Amino acid sequence: ETGVTQTPRHLVMGMTNKKSLKCEQHLGHNAMYWYKQSAKKPLELMFVYNFKEQTENNSVPSRFSPECPNSSHLFLHLHTLQPEDSALYLCASSQAGSTGISYEQYFGPGTRLTVT
Amino acid sequence: AQKITQTQPGMFVQEKEAVTLDCTYDTSDPSYGLFWYKQPSSGEMIFLIYQGSYDQQNATEGRYSLNFQKARKSANLVISASQLGDSAMYFCAMREGRGGYQKVTFGTGTKLQVIP
Repeated sequence: ETGVTQTPRHLVMGMTNKKSLKCEQHLGHNAMYWYKQSAKKPLELMFVYNFKEQTENNSVPSRFSPECPNSSHLFLHLHTLQPEDSALYLCASSQAGSTGISYEQYFGPGTRLTVT
Repeated sequence: AQKITQTQPGMFVQEKEAVTLDCTYDTSDPSYGLFWYKQPSSGEMIFLIYQGSYDQQNATEGRYSLNFQKARKSANLVISASQLGDSAMYFCAMREGRGGYQKVTFGTGTKLQVIP
């Protein structure tokens, strides 16, 4: 596998379900991100993990819970979601230098989530 | 105020012609980065080009160039010799801060259609 992979690619879940999205990067990067892309809205940054430390959550509802067990893997745990949470969820990774500055992010193909 | 503004929701360009996609930004951070990404209908987000706020020269990557006008806070993407495969959504994005405090903001995107 190369680049950034995400599983599953499509997910349909009820509002009472619990599911997890998985992201894996094979680029040796040290920062990973979760984004939400809804129709007709800009891409929204949800979570940032820099050197495995979560450092940004942008006021995301607690029904979304990230986990980063190591620098290559990132999970997004979902529970009691709402229909408005239906969107494309994109994972990305980047290499942060010693100054903490990251340059380009490499994105996975996304998980298309539908909440019924 | 919008941090990233893309005023062109849709653009058409004739194959082999050049096209400019507009992007203006707003930040008080002296150290920032500007990115352009391409998102084809398949959904993956593809990094195209990066410009750092302290870079003296405009960034170029193959047929892509970034017209960086710092005083005007604009970072327009120029695609030369358009190809049919360039038809996609194009997003301008900005990175502010560093390390645990970095923020990434995306614009609403421009849909480019290349006409044969």
